[in-house]
Amino acid sequence: GAGVSQTPSNKVTEKGKYVELRCDPISGHTALYWYRQSLGQGPEFLIYFQGTGAADDSGLPNDRFFAVRPEGSVSTLKIQRTERGDSAVYLCASSSDRAGYGYTFGSGTRLTVV
Amino acid sequence: AQSVTQLGSHVSVSEGALVLLRCNYSSSVPPYLFWYVQYPNQGLQLLLKYTTGATLVKGINGFEAEFKKSETSFHLTKPSAHMSDAAEYFCAVFYGGSQGNLIFGKGTKLSVKP
Repeated sequence: GAGVSQTPSNKVTEKGKYVELRCDPISGHTALYWYRQSLGQGPEFLIYFQGTGAADDSGLPNDRFFAVRPEGSVSTLKIQRTERGDSAVYLCASSSDRAGYGYTFGSGTRLTVV
Repeated sequence: AQSVTQLGSHVSVSEGALVLLRCNYSSSVPPYLFWYVQYPNQGLQLLLKYTTGATLVKGINGFEAEFKKSETSFHLTKPSAHMSDAAEYFCAVFYGGSQGNLIFGKGTKLSVKP
C-alpha cells in the first residue's frame, strides 16, 4: 500500500485479556519495527523483523509480548494477559533497508487496558 | 548505553520567532541522526535526516539541522515559526551494527503563540 497501515486505531480491553495489533507495511519493505509510546515519552523499541525473522527482539518487555511476521509482510503484535501498564500507543514502521535511511511510521494503535 | 537527550520537554515561541530544539547524543561513533514530527493523534513524520556528507541538513517545512560532531549535537532550527509548526518533535539516532532500531529522545512539545 501507499503507507503503513495499523489496525485497529483504538483498542479498549479489560485487564487480563489477550489482544492482537496488526501492521501492514509498505509493499516491498523488508524491515518492520514495532515501538511503544507511553504518554509523554518518546517511542521505545520493541522488536525488529528483517523478512520473516525477528532480527532483534530485545525490546520486548516480558514474555507476555510476542510478534510474528509469517510471510514477510503483515505483522501481528500479540499481548497476553494484558495489564493496565500496557496502555500506550503501539507504533509500527517499515523500511526498505536498514534504519539508516529512515522509517515510515503508521498512525499507531492506541491500546487502553481498563 | 547509547542515549539521546532532548533539552526542554516544552518550548514556546511567538509566531515569526526563531525555533531552536536541542538534541544531543551519546556516542563517540557518529550515528545517523533524524528529526521526526508528531501531530496530535498521528504517527511520526520524518522531517530530516543526516547520514553522511554535508553537516547542515535541510528538511521539510523550512526546518534544518546541523550535525556537530565535536558537540555531539543535532539541533533543529527554523528561522520563523508558523502556527502550523505546533507539534511534538523527536530526535532519533541509529548506530548501525547488528541492531536495526532507532533510539528516540523523549520529545519536545513546541507551542507557537500568535
